[in-house]
Formats: sequence, structure tokens, C-alpha cells
Amino acid sequence: AQSVTQPDIHITVSEGASLELRCNYSYGATPYLFWYVQSPGQGLQLLLKYFSGDTLVQGIKGFEAEFKRSQSSFNLRKPSVHWSDAAEYFCAVGARAAGNKLTFGGGTRVLVKP
Amino acid sequence: DSGVTQTPKHLITATGQRVTLRCSPRSGDLSVYWYQQSLDQGLQFLIQYYNGEERAKGNILERFSAQQFPDLHSELNLSSLELGDSALYFCASSPPGTPSYNEQFFGPGTRLTVL
Repeated sequence: AQSVTQPDIHITVSEGASLELRCNYSYGATPYLFWYVQSPGQGLQLLLKYFSGDTLVQGIKGFEAEFKRSQSSFNLRKPSVHWSDAAEYFCAVGARAAGNKLTFGGGTRVLVKP
Repeated sequence: DSGVTQTPKHLITATGQRVTLRCSPRSGDLSVYWYQQSLDQGLQFLIQYYNGEERAKGNILERFSAQQFPDLHSELNLSSLELGDSALYFCASSPPGTPSYNEQFFGPGTRLTVL
């Protein structure tokens, strides 16, 4: 069965500083990987995805993530955080099969200090 | 705006009641997924439909059921509601064809409160 672990429940970062959110997955083959962001009271917005090919993927809002097969990781990064990046971030793994459910990690809440 | 719509936005009801949540997928998307987000369970997959047929089932209770209609909108029916069913229910849709089939777009959710 697939699973996702986000080790950090909360992260506080100063505005303008860099941000890295960790994600480790468990899946029997090469997975599809996603990062979603959820602002308070909002739905989930897709930040970026990895299907195959280049292991460094670029997303919206200046985010990028790197797929490392050897470490079963898909960490999300942003070089300079803006106050509007305060939200909850979810890493998800999708199965390469019919009935593609997403399995989500527990989420990381990001607080941005002025 | 993802293009996925969900109604109602909020729903308050009592234990033992039955409610119906509605979802309209993005134009052209054939798959609809339902997820439940609660404080203790996190985001959990409930069920998926593809072009009217059930494709996959997750941890969906027997008191819950869903269907996808010919116009591709979907409804999630929750019956004999319990306090623990209070949660945010998301619908997502994805387009046909791989790998885009795996990219899911989420609606704004329906917040269900059971009193």
C-alpha cells in the first residue's frame, strides 16, 4: 500500500527566507507525486506534479520540488517566501493504475513571520 | 478557481439525518473523486467514478454512497449521520488519458457539521 510522510507538522519561516518542506513516500513502483496547497477555508490547489523525466520540477508561485528515487523523497522548496505563502501544504502520491486515488501526507502548516 | 464546483458550501444537520453533497467536474473531465478531510483522519480517499462507473473505493463507510450521472456530475450521499462524520468533503476531477488522468483538480469543498 502506498503511504506518504510529512515529518514536519509546523514550520515557521521569516518572510524572504528560503523554505523546504519534506516529503517521503512509500510505493512499490515509480509513483506520480504531487504537492498541493490549502489556504485557510479554501480547497486544494495543485502546486506541481512529477510524472516522469526531469527530477526537478517547477510549479506555480515560484515553488519547485525534486524527486529523489534513492531517498523516496519529493521535497518542496521556495527560495524566498512571501507572507501569502502561509498555508498548509500536502504531499500526495498517486498510483499508476486504474482507479488512481491520491494518498496524502498529514500536511505541513507554514507560518510566515514578517 | 479549479473549475470544479461543489454545493452546498456549508451544511449543518443533526445526528441520524441524511444529506446529499453535489459535485460538477471540470468540462471534459470524466473522473470524479471524493475525499474526506477531518482533523483526526486527515485527507482520505473515499470513492472514484469514471464516466458513470465506480472505479475505486477507499475507506468509505457503508452509510455513505455515491453515484455519477450521465451528465458526469456526482453526488455523495451520507446517511444515519454521526458526530464523527463532521468534516470537509472534497470532490476532485481529472481528465481522460495518461498521465493527465492522474492530475486531480479539487473543488472548494463542502463543510458538513453534524450536531
